[in-house]
Amino acid sequence: DQQVKQNSPSLSVQEGRISILNCDYTNSMFDYFLWYKKYPAEGPTFLISISSIKDKNEDGRFTVFLNKSAKHLSLHIVPSQPGDSAVYFCAAVVSGSARQLTFGSGTQLTVLP
Amino acid sequence: KAGVTQTPRYLIKTRGQQVTLSCSPISGHRSVSWYQQTPGQGLQFLFEYFSETQRNKGNFPGRFSGRQFSNSRSEMNVSTLELGDSALYLCASRDRLAGAHNEQFFGPGTRLTVL
Repeated sequence: DQQVKQNSPSLSVQEGRISILNCDYTNSMFDYFLWYKKYPAEGPTFLISISSIKDKNEDGRFTVFLNKSAKHLSLHIVPSQPGDSAVYFCAAVVSGSARQLTFGSGTQLTVLP
Repeated sequence: KAGVTQTPRYLIKTRGQQVTLSCSPISGHRSVSWYQQTPGQGLQFLFEYFSETQRNKGNFPGRFSGRQFSNSRSEMNVSTLELGDSALYLCASRDRLAGAHNEQFFGPGTRLTVL
């Protein structure tokens, strides 16, 4: 039972345009969400997070939106750059617990020059 | 501060063998988690150790085991290797088990190939 789903395994975007990566979750107990970026031959690195008390968090070119009623979050990258080409994982957790992060299956973003 | 290190980076084994992977967390971090990454499956959680005790466990068979030492370094062992165990094994550390910010810091992984 996948509690965190990334239904798009891949996404291609032109440089300078917006990239939108989506993530859905089923567990209503999740209250903290994170995005990680992974380059080949490297481990995932933390990108941005959002608490369920917010619906938006912004950090430079990266913005995460959370729609709790739809159990959906998205990562927007504006403008997209070729260096953003990587696999993006969303993850969720019940923040007050000692539970592990639950990850989605990832989306391969390719930004075309 | 040095990041999470994993050794070896690449490993080739044959079916039936056993393997041990090593992970050194960020200095001061007491939690070490292990994940298996395969194409299309994302990061599948194996287990987490904190202060030498296993605190969380994923849904993997008993062939997968781990331990943590007093210096927080961790090892993961897979016995009786199967072809399906071929994957990237990632280790991650964090400074505590729970809290509002649960960012984990990942190592580069060990690429295991089972022939």
